[in-house]
Amino acid sequence: TQLLEQSPQFLSIQEGENLTVYCNSSSVFSSLQWYRQEPGEGPVLLVTVVTGGEVKKLKRLTFQFGDARKDSSLHITAAQPGDTGLYLCAGVKSGNTPLVFGKGTRLSVIA
Amino acid sequence: GAVVSQHPSRVICKSGTSVKIECRSLDFQATTMFWYRQFPKQSLMLMATSNEGSKATYEQGVEKDKFLINHASLTLSTLTVTSAHPEDSSFYICSAPSPTGGLNYGYTFGSGTRLTVV
Repeated sequence: TQLLEQSPQFLSIQEGENLTVYCNSSSVFSSLQWYRQEPGEGPVLLVTVVTGGEVKKLKRLTFQFGDARKDSSLHITAAQPGDTGLYLCAGVKSGNTPLVFGKGTRLSVIA
Repeated sequence: GAVVSQHPSRVICKSGTSVKIECRSLDFQATTMFWYRQFPKQSLMLMATSNEGSKATYEQGVEKDKFLINHASLTLSTLTVTSAHPEDSSFYICSAPSPTGGLNYGYTFGSGTRLTVV
């Protein structure tokens, strides 16, 4: 059972376009985290959202946590080729329990 | 920031041999380490959770006799793939909650180990 449904799984867009990645669950998470992973490397944390309704911005990236803490979204404005990579959402149930990962979104931004 | 150093980054071994992967927390004490496996173009799958000084907890379907996990100190956790077979070829990644708490501050990942069994 995939606790976190992430969509889309693949996305290929032109430089300058906007995009949104969604992460949905029927379960409540204490926090949702977004990671980016380059080929052959481990994931790197982009942001953690903890409070329902929270919005965090990281340059051209905007992260939102749903009011009920069951879903999250990542919006990228004016995508650049450097944004290409695998984006993973991951949920934490409580404390330092293992992350529950979505299937990931493989983004390709074409110049 | 917190760093988890993972070695080796790549290893090729023959079928039937064993391979040890090490993860060290460089500037913090990691009482818990999570071990993941990742297949090409897929997400991370949790294999097991190791806690310093106690036995690891394995996820359903993961053979504990095949994937030996040791967490003998607060800065070192190891995963040994015993009697490796080609189907064990994969990308293995370790992760620890940040020293300030994984819930709010995320988890730190090692750089991964690409295991190829020939």
